[in-house]
Amino acid sequence: KAGVTQTPRYLIKTRGQQVTLSCSPISGHRSVSWYQQTPGQGLQFLFEYFSETQRNKGNFPGRFSGRQFSNSRSEMNVSTLELGDSALYLCASSLGPGGSEETQYFGPGTRLLVL
Amino acid sequence: AQSVSQHNHHVILSEAASLELGCNYSYGGTVNLFWYVQYPGQHLQLLLKYFSGDPLVKGIKGFEAEFIKSKFSFNLRKPSVQWSDTAEYFCAVRRANQAGTALIFGKGTTLSVSS
Repeated sequence: KAGVTQTPRYLIKTRGQQVTLSCSPISGHRSVSWYQQTPGQGLQFLFEYFSETQRNKGNFPGRFSGRQFSNSRSEMNVSTLELGDSALYLCASSLGPGGSEETQYFGPGTRLLVL
Repeated sequence: AQSVSQHNHHVILSEAASLELGCNYSYGGTVNLFWYVQYPGQHLQLLLKYFSGDPLVKGIKGFEAEFIKSKFSFNLRKPSVQWSDTAEYFCAVRRANQAGTALIFGKGTTLSVSS
């Protein structure tokens, strides 16, 4: 079974631009979560989607948004990029219904550099 | 708010030495506990997980962890490390039985194993 895939793998943008990252979950998984990983803050939760609905959101500004499609694929968007948005953005998928043994499996990430 | 504390930022060991990485969390309710590993240049992989039952869980590559509820701890152990265990290790906690809840990660411990 194929793992979580993320595109693009690397991205360079300039301040003020916007960016869209894509994530395809493991087949059969309906929940997609996004995390930001930086050396200073570590791994921080951005948001989680299940059946095209955002179920949970982390403590990030409104410039960070996401959506999920009917095939469970997800995109996240960052508008008006700032230097501090440079990070590795990780997507994780899980089955989703919220049973007692949900496990998240991570993709390789998209490394975003903002200049 | 939930938090996860990993006591050691960087651990340096020789091959065949024993390993114990500490992890403590702050949350009074029922939790699911995870250890993830990130090898150099690779994506985050699940090492082991605890949901319920036997508090001593075994994972891949000879790793094990013990959940001690009274100490809010979930320490990772391996009797004899190998050079290939060089990686960054993350402890993560999630509220159990709640759909859409986020993984809360510790800051990570970098393990360097010399041959």
